[in-house]
Amino acid sequence: GAVVSQHPSRVICKSGTSVKIECRSLDFQATTMFWYRQFPKQSLMLMATSNEGSKATYEQGVEKDKFLINHASLTLSTLTVTSAHPEDSSFYICSARPTGKRYTEAFFGQGTRLTVV
Amino acid sequence: GNSVTQMEGPVTLSEEAFLTINCTYTATGYPSLFWYVQYPGEGLQLLLKATKADDKGSNKGFEATYRKETTSFHLEKGSVQVSDSAVYFCARRTTDSWGKLQFGAGTQVVVTP
Repeated sequence: GAVVSQHPSRVICKSGTSVKIECRSLDFQATTMFWYRQFPKQSLMLMATSNEGSKATYEQGVEKDKFLINHASLTLSTLTVTSAHPEDSSFYICSARPTGKRYTEAFFGQGTRLTVV
Repeated sequence: GNSVTQMEGPVTLSEEAFLTINCTYTATGYPSLFWYVQYPGEGLQLLLKATKADDKGSNKGFEATYRKETTSFHLEKGSVQVSDSAVYFCARRTTDSWGKLQFGAGTQVVVTP
C-alpha cells in the first residue's frame, strides 16, 4: 500500500527557534500534499495545500510567513514553523495524494508532535 | 458551519456490542465520503470510503452506506473488540479541483472487556 512518512515523530524546541517537519511519499509520487494541525481531542484543521513546484495555498487564518511550506519534489513536502512559540505546540499531520489520481484518497503520515518550551 | 457533523463522544461499549456512529454532511454536489480511524499518538488510517449514492464501504467488519436522501454516512460494526478503541473521523472531500478533506469533530470510542 501507499506509505507516507513524517519526520520527526516528536520534537521539542525552544521558543523562538524554527522547526522543520518533513513529509515523504515513499512508494508513489504526490503532486499535492496537505498539512493539517490537530489540537488535543479535536479534529484536524487543514492549514494549507502544497503543490509541487508552486506556492502553497493557505487556508484562511493561517499565517504563511509563520508556517513555511516547500514542495520541491514529487515525494517531499516540508513544513517549517518559524519563530515557534508555545501556542504552536500541536500535532501536525500531512497527507499525500498520488499524482494523476484526482479521485482517489490521500494517505496520511503518522504525525509530528511539536512541543515548544 | 461545519460541512461534516458527527455524534459526540466518548462512546463507551462492552466488547461484542453493536457500534453506530452517526455522520451527516452538507450536500454540495456528490462528494466522496470517508471514515478514518486514529489510534492514540498516531496519524489517520483510512477505514472505508464511498464515492456515490447508495455505495456501501466496508472494512474490518465496519460498514457505512452513502445515503443521499438523508445526507448521512453512519458507521456501524456489529461486534466491537477492545482493539477498536480509537477516535473515528467522518470526512467528505470537496468537489472542487483541490479535493480537500473536511473532517467532522471525531468520536472517541472506548471498548471495555
